Amino acid sequence: EPEVTQTPSHQVTQMGQEVILRCVPISNHLYFYWYRQILGQKVEFLVSFYNNEISEKSEIFDDQFSVERPDGSNFTLKIRSTKLEDSAMYFCASRDRDRGSNQPQHFGDGTRLSIL
Amino acid sequence: SQQGEEDPQALSIQEGENATMNCSYKTSINNLQWYRQNSGRGLVHLILIRSNEREKHSGRLRVTLDTSKKSSSLLITASRAADTASYFCATDRSSASKIIFGSGTRLSIRP
Repeated sequence: EPEVTQTPSHQVTQMGQEVILRCVPISNHLYFYWYRQILGQKVEFLVSFYNNEISEKSEIFDDQFSVERPDGSNFTLKIRSTKLEDSAMYFCASRDRDRGSNQPQHFGDGTRLSIL
Repeated sequence: SQQGEEDPQALSIQEGENATMNCSYKTSINNLQWYRQNSGRGLVHLILIRSNEREKHSGRLRVTLDTSKKSSSLLITASRAADTASYFCATDRSSASKIIFGSGTRLSIRP
């Protein structure tokens, strides 16, 4: 079964450094998302992306965050100047167009981001 | 907000028993989904139920939805050790929009 894949599985970065989290969504999916889960807390929505532009973003997704779909397969999340509170598990998700029935979002295994 | 809240927060049962988890939400929804998360892993989609549906089955899973009470339940029958995980309900207001997760139920299956 097709999967969403994320790399790296674990990223350790110094505070203030830039990080890029990578995702390969399921082929032919049209909608892409980033979520994060701080340890012990709920999964929180960050941003959704469709037709090469952001369709919705949360209050968390401020100017230090950006997303990009540089080619036909990758979907990246960049954090420009990381803070300690950015430490979390980051999940990428993708979704197919509705085909007579509503489609779920499929998630990757996540990237654990640790900011030192 | 439309967050779902699961009940109970933690559930421990004997292998072979049935497990029931409940979810409540606050606003009108388009779909309600249930996800499983094994420790340190990603979110695995289990089942999606639309707002105009009342019950849905998938293998050992049974989901009900009561939009008048803004609640849903997930029943896992004949539980197995491999069912040990956290279970989350998640709601959306339109098909392609963000989904809002609840805080989850930690299910432990005792051998």
